[in-house]
Amino acid sequence: EAQVTQNPRYLITVTGKKLTVTCSQNMNHEYMSWYRQDPGLGLRQIYYSMNVEVTDKGDVPEGYKVSRKEKRNFPLILESPSPNQTSLYFCASRDWTDSGNTIYFGEGSWLTVV
Amino acid sequence: AQSVTQLDSHVSVSEGTPVLLRCNYSSSYSPSLFWYVQHPNKGLQLLLKYTSAATLVKGINGFEAEFKKSETSFHLTKPSAHMSDAAEYFCVVSVGAYSGGGADGLTFGKGTHLIIQP
Repeated sequence: EAQVTQNPRYLITVTGKKLTVTCSQNMNHEYMSWYRQDPGLGLRQIYYSMNVEVTDKGDVPEGYKVSRKEKRNFPLILESPSPNQTSLYFCASRDWTDSGNTIYFGEGSWLTVV
Repeated sequence: AQSVTQLDSHVSVSEGTPVLLRCNYSSSYSPSLFWYVQHPNKGLQLLLKYTSAATLVKGINGFEAEFKKSETSFHLTKPSAHMSDAAEYFCVVSVGAYSGGGADGLTFGKGTHLIIQP
């Protein structure tokens, strides 16, 4: 079954404590991406990766890091989380070689920074 | 550059009545278009997509959408709303990578929250 898996699904953490949200896909997709979703703002892209070792900033990259050492994994790193990073985060993947290919999303990770 | 406008942030209908969620787009290229649905506390699920074949596209759960190039629209419809349709709906435009809308070619609408009244 085609799947994008994120962990953790729910996390409450404190300001400044580094955390990593993992994302893994089993479809051999080259493209992966991270979004955050906030009320009234829709989905905003944080970072994306077109291939292994290739990452680019999205619309709201400040305060986040990513790495793409292998095709299936694309972790999102918050080096020093702040309360304005409290949000719902989604990881996505797709075969980007055709614009009509489906984008697959993870179930989401609820992050609260206190 | 490309853009997506979901014309209504909230739509409220009564159960059993038709649903219309509006999406307009602009693109310099021939896009693919998607509608995704997000139920509360869930990820985004593909409802349907247009990829330059038939302009009337049927999706899951009785939804359909019509691609109208002259109007640059891709509105989502359903003849009869069900309580389980209450969710957030996203319209997405996709062009080839490095063609526009960022290197990944994707542009998301801001979402329409569909409310179903009993």
